[in-house]
Amino acid sequence: AQSVSQHNHHVILSEAASLELGCNYSYGGTVNLFWYVQYPGQHLQLLLKYFSGDPLVKGIKGFEAEFIKSKFSFNLRKPSVQWSDTAEYFCAVKRDSGNTPLVFGKGTRLSVIA
Amino acid sequence: GAVVSQHPSRVICKSGTSVKIECRSLDFQATTMFWYRQFPKQSLMLMATSNEGSKATYEQGVEKDKFLINHASLTLSTLTVTSAHPEDSSFYICSARPRGGPFSGNTIYFGEGSWLTVV
Repeated sequence: AQSVSQHNHHVILSEAASLELGCNYSYGGTVNLFWYVQYPGQHLQLLLKYFSGDPLVKGIKGFEAEFIKSKFSFNLRKPSVQWSDTAEYFCAVKRDSGNTPLVFGKGTRLSVIA
Repeated sequence: GAVVSQHPSRVICKSGTSVKIECRSLDFQATTMFWYRQFPKQSLMLMATSNEGSKATYEQGVEKDKFLINHASLTLSTLTVTSAHPEDSSFYICSARPRGGPFSGNTIYFGEGSWLTVV
């Protein structure tokens, strides 16, 4: 079965520190990859997505992610985090074959401290 | 972007009663909608895939007689939690993939979620 692994359960960073959240998936075929963010008390929002083309994807709020096919990875990065980035981050994978659902990782909680 | 709306956003019901949650795609049509459940501090788990005009497909371990899904039109899917119990308290989220139109593609859009508390 397809699975998505997020390596870090909880990450604590100081403001201005760099961020990298790991995401690996197990499906061997063509996939679409997503990162969602859930701010406290709010709903899921799409940060960025990869379908094809340039494996380095830039999203909103200064986030980017790199698809490395050989490593089945889609890590999320941000050069300098802010306090407002405190949230839960979910990696999700969708098989590129019609109406298939997203499979989510367990999420990584990011706490940014001043 | 495309908007998916859920109603109610919060609901409290008594144990043993049923509660219905609606999921609407406001500016696109969706032949398929997905229902997820998120327990506190856990990830989103797919419950079922809702197909317009046909029966929903449930994930293993999800009771189809307890979680009734109806996808009556291309813009509306409903989830009814029947005979709710406290362990059903959770955050339920729907999502939809646009069929055609300006938002078509592989992006899936999420509703705001519905907090269900069973007392």
